Amino acid sequence: GQQVMQIPQYQHVQEGEDFTTYCNSSTTLSNIQWYKQRPGGHPVFLIQLVKSGEVKKQKRLTFQFGEAKKNSSLHITATQTTDVGTYFCAGPETGANNLFFGTGTRLTVIP
Amino acid sequence: DTAVSQTPKYLVTQMGNDKSIKCEQNLGHDTMYWYKQDSKKFLKIMFSYNNKELIINETVPNRFSPKSPDKAHLNLHINSLELGDSAVYFCASSPRLDWDLTDTQYFGPGTRLTVL
Repeated sequence: GQQVMQIPQYQHVQEGEDFTTYCNSSTTLSNIQWYKQRPGGHPVFLIQLVKSGEVKKQKRLTFQFGEAKKNSSLHITATQTTDVGTYFCAGPETGANNLFFGTGTRLTVIP
Repeated sequence: DTAVSQTPKYLVTQMGNDKSIKCEQNLGHDTMYWYKQDSKKFLKIMFSYNNKELIINETVPNRFSPKSPDKAHLNLHINSLELGDSAVYFCASSPRLDWDLTDTQYFGPGTRLTVL
């Protein structure tokens, strides 16, 4: 079945260090979305990428969609304690219209 | 003015009981969903409703039944609760169901269900 894996599963960084999470799908995705879930909170939409090779930036966050549209990455420059949370990628499930969420990367930022 | 709301926020109950979780969205969206998030934070879709029609029913036990009285509400009823049902359940909604472009999903705050 379709799988969307993220690595790493957990990441601890010192405040100010950079962070990257990678998302890999077993199938080609028409688009990919990224969500952030703070501890005790709910997933919140960050961004959607649609085009092959697309790169989008939101302040310190850089999102990239792979050329083959099977992988994506989220890079955070100079992490802050407010970046703490679990980051999920999500793509359309093959043959369906619901989102298939990745396994998530839990980020801890040490002050 | 909460966009997607769920009640209750916490639910603690005994095995074998029947319980319901309510969800309401005031965004005017056409599609609503239920997700289950386990202790490892994996998010799995359970159901989605589009214009009051169940369109996706994942392989969840038939003890779980979604009920949608109108477009703005999608409640989740669970019969004969089991220990393994303990999880956080999220309701979500999206503007429409688009075959070409999956819509952004707006999540509710979640309901933490604990089965003893």
